[in-house]
Amino acid sequence: GEDVEQSLFLSVREGDSSVINCTYTDSSSTYLYWYKQEPGAGLQLLTYIFSNMDMKQDQRLTVLLNKKDKHLSLRIADTQTGDSAIYFCAESIIADTGRRALTFGSGTRLQVQP
Amino acid sequence: DADVTQTPRNRITKTGKRIMLECSQTKGHDRMYWYRQDPGLGLQLIYYSFDVKDINKGEISDGYSVSRQAQAKFSLSLESAIPNQTALYFCATSDNQAGGYTFGSGTRLTVV
Repeated sequence: GEDVEQSLFLSVREGDSSVINCTYTDSSSTYLYWYKQEPGAGLQLLTYIFSNMDMKQDQRLTVLLNKKDKHLSLRIADTQTGDSAIYFCAESIIADTGRRALTFGSGTRLQVQP
Repeated sequence: DADVTQTPRNRITKTGKRIMLECSQTKGHDRMYWYRQDPGLGLQLIYYSFDVKDINKGEISDGYSVSRQAQAKFSLSLESAIPNQTALYFCATSDNQAGGYTFGSGTRLTVV
């Protein structure tokens, strides 16, 4: 989706932290999401953050939201080989029909080197 | 059993053929969605439905149609398949925006 941008690829070593970044354009977004897609599988919701929050932490995952810059990041602490996947950022937008739907970024492929 | 089931998982079809992709859910969600995934392009919304009588076009609806047969079933049809519709298709459901979406495992469609 052109409204949500992510870098395409990130490579880290096992045990390091990974930071995946995302920029979005719709200032009316109420929720922003991170999804994980493993090979051959659908998207799995990892976490989400409400737009009035700056940070949300859930075990090894930390989401940071800079609403002024429309920037969202996902930090994965102590990255493991099982974290290798494609990570999608998504924002809820008001479509032309007046209804809200999610629009997704292109996905960031995270490769974890042993 | 999966919460959101898509059939078939894989399909190869010829140009010009009509094909239907099916989605059923056991989540009890009112809202259902069809997305298309192409490498490097993320997911693009094709159609979405907020209840059985509410169907809306997404950003790339041309060449596609949908039917919401029941709360639990939402099918996607390609009236006359063309090669650039080769992609991975995902169905998703939600009850409200806060909880995010639940995705099916996808249907890989190849049009030759």
